[in-house]
Amino acid sequence: KNEVEQSPQNLTAQEGEFITINCSYSVGISALHWLQQHPGGGIVSLFMLSSGKKKHGRLIATINIQEKHSSLHITASHPRDSAVYICAVIEGPHPVMIGGSNYKLTFGKGTLLTVNP
Amino acid sequence: NAGVTQTPKFQVLKTGQSMTLQCAQDMNHEYMSWYRQDPGMGLRLIHYSVGAGITDQGEVPNGYNVSRSTTEDFPLRLLSAAPSQTSVYFCASSYGAYSYEQYFGPGTRLTVT
Repeated sequence: KNEVEQSPQNLTAQEGEFITINCSYSVGISALHWLQQHPGGGIVSLFMLSSGKKKHGRLIATINIQEKHSSLHITASHPRDSAVYICAVIEGPHPVMIGGSNYKLTFGKGTLLTVNP
Repeated sequence: NAGVTQTPKFQVLKTGQSMTLQCAQDMNHEYMSWYRQDPGMGLRLIHYSVGAGITDQGEVPNGYNVSRSTTEDFPLRLLSAAPSQTSVYFCASSYGAYSYEQYFGPGTRLTVT
């Protein structure tokens, strides 16, 4: 079973600060998701990546497959960024195997980000 | 599109009662999943489906049943509720397998007393 570790568990920042949330995993993966869970409980997908870097607005996600590590960066943080950020990984080279043990997402426990005005 | 919808939003059950959590999506997604979220733990997969008529167990399937008679609907049945099933339940769907963007429902908060 893939062990997915996120750090830090809790993060408090001032508005405008640059934020980094880290995710490391123990077994090789084919893809990684970053999700955002709002204070009201809803979960939205931010990124899905299998190599390199992706950018969407003020959010940047990077992944280093060899080092089994991904980071989520938030530039110019804002109080509306306050949420839980969740990393999830898909194991194996063939995630579409039906019924296979790698046919699932393994989730980290999340990082609670609070951005103060 | 309504996306992924779940009903009810909140539910309180007594131990031993049964109920069905409803999940529907209008995006013609083949892949649907049920997760539970408990404090201090990551989301855990209960059951999943890769298309109508095809379901399989996830990490924590005991005490739950699913069926997928249509592409749109993926209900989760609690056969005999136990306090250990107190949790928040999320349904999710995606176009393909987990290498595609996941769409989550708003969640159902279930309390079993």
